[in-house]
Amino acid sequence: GQNIDQPTEMTATEGAIVQINCTYQTSGFNGLFWYQQHAGEAPTFLSYNVLDGLEEKGRFSSFLSRSKGYSYLLLKELQMKDSASYLCAVMDSNYQLIWGAGTKLIIKP
Amino acid sequence: SAVISQKPSRDICQRGTSLTIQCQVDSQVTMMFWYRQQPGQSLTLIATANQGSEATYESGFVIDKFPISRPNLTFSTLTVSNMSPEDSSIYLCSVKTGEVGEQYFGPGTRLTVT
Repeated sequence: GQNIDQPTEMTATEGAIVQINCTYQTSGFNGLFWYQQHAGEAPTFLSYNVLDGLEEKGRFSSFLSRSKGYSYLLLKELQMKDSASYLCAVMDSNYQLIWGAGTKLIIKP
Repeated sequence: SAVISQKPSRDICQRGTSLTIQCQVDSQVTMMFWYRQQPGQSLTLIATANQGSEATYESGFVIDKFPISRPNLTFSTLTVSNMSPEDSSIYLCSVKTGEVGEQYFGPGTRLTVT
């Protein structure tokens, strides 16, 4: 079967760095996406990785290792507004998105 | 990217009734999707809405319960039929239109069935 694992919840301090991990087992691989979802709002697209390595976008970076079935989202200089759920999703061989359960990130002052 | 609107934003419905949710996109898109999200849970794909043909439903979802229309490339509706309290959820439409195939989501419809 297809499976994506993420921690359920993480807590970090304002100004710090946090890494949210995602491991996956899917039928084929056509890219991995990270989305941010604030409570009561729709998910918004953050990043995409299809090749191994690190993609950087401002305070957010995403890393992929296809051989390990592993990705992480790195958030630097955390701000209170970064409190949200972060969803990992993998596009399988049928170009279907398989969604993780999401990681709720709590930022404390 | 795409700008997506949904109507209604929320509704409270009685058991046994039906609700139709509308999704409007500001540009023509081939692929539109309908998701359900229970509170604190991740997204569950209900179906892919295809323009000019029948929707493609995921396992556990059937057309009689969740009929979908897709009359053109900018609009779709999802009907939740014969509702029960278990149908209480947030329903989201999305489109696949980005450079790398990312999806963009509407604001969601929060449905409560009493």
